[in-house]
Amino acid sequence: QITLKESGPTLVKPTQTLTLTCTFSGFSLNTSEVGVAWIRQPPGKALEWLALIYWDDDKRYSPSLKSRLTITKDTSKNRVVLTMTNMDPVDTATYYCAHSPDIVRWFDHWGQGTLVTVSS
Amino acid sequence: SYVLTQPPSVSVAPGKTARITCGGNNIASKSVHWYQQKPGQAPLLVMYYDSDRPSGIPERFSGSNSGNTATLTISRVEAGDEADYYCQVWDSTSDDRYVLFGGGTKLTVL
Repeated sequence: QITLKESGPTLVKPTQTLTLTCTFSGFSLNTSEVGVAWIRQPPGKALEWLALIYWDDDKRYSPSLKSRLTITKDTSKNRVVLTMTNMDPVDTATYYCAHSPDIVRWFDHWGQGTLVTVSS
Repeated sequence: SYVLTQPPSVSVAPGKTARITCGGNNIASKSVHWYQQKPGQAPLLVMYYDSDRPSGIPERFSGSNSGNTATLTISRVEAGDEADYYCQVWDSTSDDRYVLFGGGTKLTVL
């Protein structure tokens, strides 16, 4: 059974760096073609993909946010970490991590999400 | 960059058929995936690779993809189908490969 859970601060100040951790079970990020993505959703708005890390440590980022994002994995601890620099109130959103089973990049399991508010 | 266009809202009476579209340039050349999201919940995959249903998703849900439009069809709509629906593709046509979501469609069951 695949599960994912996001953790991190619920409140960050503008200009600070956000660090979120996705802790997962039921699969290995050493398995060929598997990936883990971060996706966010501002209140009342659509889903927005942020970043993706592959089993082979290849990484992809949203073109519009690429300069602010870093995604890493710790396979031994079954964790994926996302950092986002220079946070702004418009970054207020629920942040999800999700499992991608193959190279076409769809998401069959999602975490419950964590709401991050950016405010001074 | 590639754009996915969904109607903001679709309304349907119970028992009728709802069709939610996802438009994109030659979208038929891509695999389209669909997610259902109810208020306060994480998205749930309801269709992948255009027309494959995950286990546990009712047969009332079906998908198609042709030309410039992919469609999620929900037959015999029930009150519990009321939700936001998002289409998604993997754009691998450029060196900068990325995931793309549509803007979402709110399905209202009248």
